[in-house]
Amino acid sequence: EAQVTQNPRYLITVTGKKLTVTCSQNMNHEYMSWYRQDPGLGLRQIYYSMNVEVTDKGDVPEGYKVSRKEKRNFPLILESPSPNQTSLYFCAIRDRASLGYTFGSGTRLTVV
Amino acid sequence: GESVGLHLPTLSVQEGDNSIINCAYSNSASDYFIWYKQESGKGPQFIIDIRSNMDKRQGQRVTVLLNKTVKHLSLQIAATQPGDSAVYFCAEKLPDSWGKLQFGAGTQVVVTP
Repeated sequence: EAQVTQNPRYLITVTGKKLTVTCSQNMNHEYMSWYRQDPGLGLRQIYYSMNVEVTDKGDVPEGYKVSRKEKRNFPLILESPSPNQTSLYFCAIRDRASLGYTFGSGTRLTVV
Repeated sequence: GESVGLHLPTLSVQEGDNSIINCAYSNSASDYFIWYKQESGKGPQFIIDIRSNMDKRQGQRVTVLLNKTVKHLSLQIAATQPGDSAVYFCAEKLPDSWGKLQFGAGTQVVVTP
């Protein structure tokens, strides 16, 4: 069964303090992606990665960075978090044969 | 139905009744659609999908209908149960090379006894 593990589940931080949200998968899938979910706005893509060392911007990449040094991990980095990045974040994976995504359990981030 | 904005549409359904959740998608060239269910505190979970060469697909207690003429998708849940209470949203696969999914804002389904 595909598993997507995000950490932490909850995080409260202060403006400007760098943080990293980790995402790991156990399925060796090439495709990984980060989404943020805000009330009434649905899921919006931040960044995605097609494979190791291959990443690209999604719809709302400003203020975020990612890296894909190995296939199983795809961390989301906020170099200088701001309150407008308070949101619920999801990591998702997809394999080449499938069109649907498998999502992690989410990380609720609050920036004060 | 779906809407983009600050307020999530809510569908209140009595236990045992059928639910119909609607979604308007954006791109007439989208060729694949998925319905997801998201329970409180959890990530979205796949319910059912449909390709654009079909207009109906059935699963266990769920049916998805696709009307490409008006770019409309619906999810029907038969004999709605308390465990069906969740946010439901549709996703369309945009017609590009790597299959990006674009998600709707969602509909909150509340099942009442």
